[in-house]
Amino acid sequence: QKEVEQDPGPLSVPEGAIVSLNCTYSNSAFQYFMWYRQYSRKGPELLMYTYSSGNKEDGRFTAQVDKSSKYISLFIRDSQPSDSATYLCAMRNNYGQNFVFGPGTRLSVLP
Amino acid sequence: EPEVTQTPSHQVTQMGQEVILRCVPISNHLYFYWYRQILGQKVEFLVSFYNNEISEKSEIFDDQFSVERPDGSNFTLKIRSTKLEDSAMYFCASKGGGTNTDTQYFGPGTRLTVL
Repeated sequence: QKEVEQDPGPLSVPEGAIVSLNCTYSNSAFQYFMWYRQYSRKGPELLMYTYSSGNKEDGRFTAQVDKSSKYISLFIRDSQPSDSATYLCAMRNNYGQNFVFGPGTRLSVLP
Repeated sequence: EPEVTQTPSHQVTQMGQEVILRCVPISNHLYFYWYRQILGQKVEFLVSFYNNEISEKSEIFDDQFSVERPDGSNFTLKIRSTKLEDSAMYFCASKGGGTNTDTQYFGPGTRLTVL
């Protein structure tokens, strides 16, 4: 089993739709969870950062962490064509600096 | 807004040659990182650097790799003898030492092509 898994997509949705992106992981020691957005040929850009379980909201973005299920989600409300990118989840434990990234989900928001 | 910069944007080299990838982290940041992303694959951690020494490295970061902060602004990744499988995007990242300690800011990357 891979340490962090994501559906690679591509996921295509119409503009204005609610998008749900997910990651599952196997290492129960992970405590810090991130979502990054990566446009083509660019570096990852941090969107959301959460510690342990719970929800966090920032504008159109909501991150959820369910540690009991080892499952994290990113919701995008009122999706825009500019949200079209690859979305990467990343996580680490309490001790190291080593973030483990998921392979990314490619999202296309169609106008 | 301050940003991480990387040079060159694209480096082409022959197998066996040495390459140095350069990064200028955000000026008041304390932690520095290199990641790589092979085309179509996930971002992989290579190394973290703090207080002028390596704080953590992955299995990928073998003896062919080294990092250096030669002055107060640059952070470099050297690959001594490049192999075909080193072809990838290499991202530098940095973060500060404040309360939001996990916010890593990534540079735009250097595309390394080994022929």
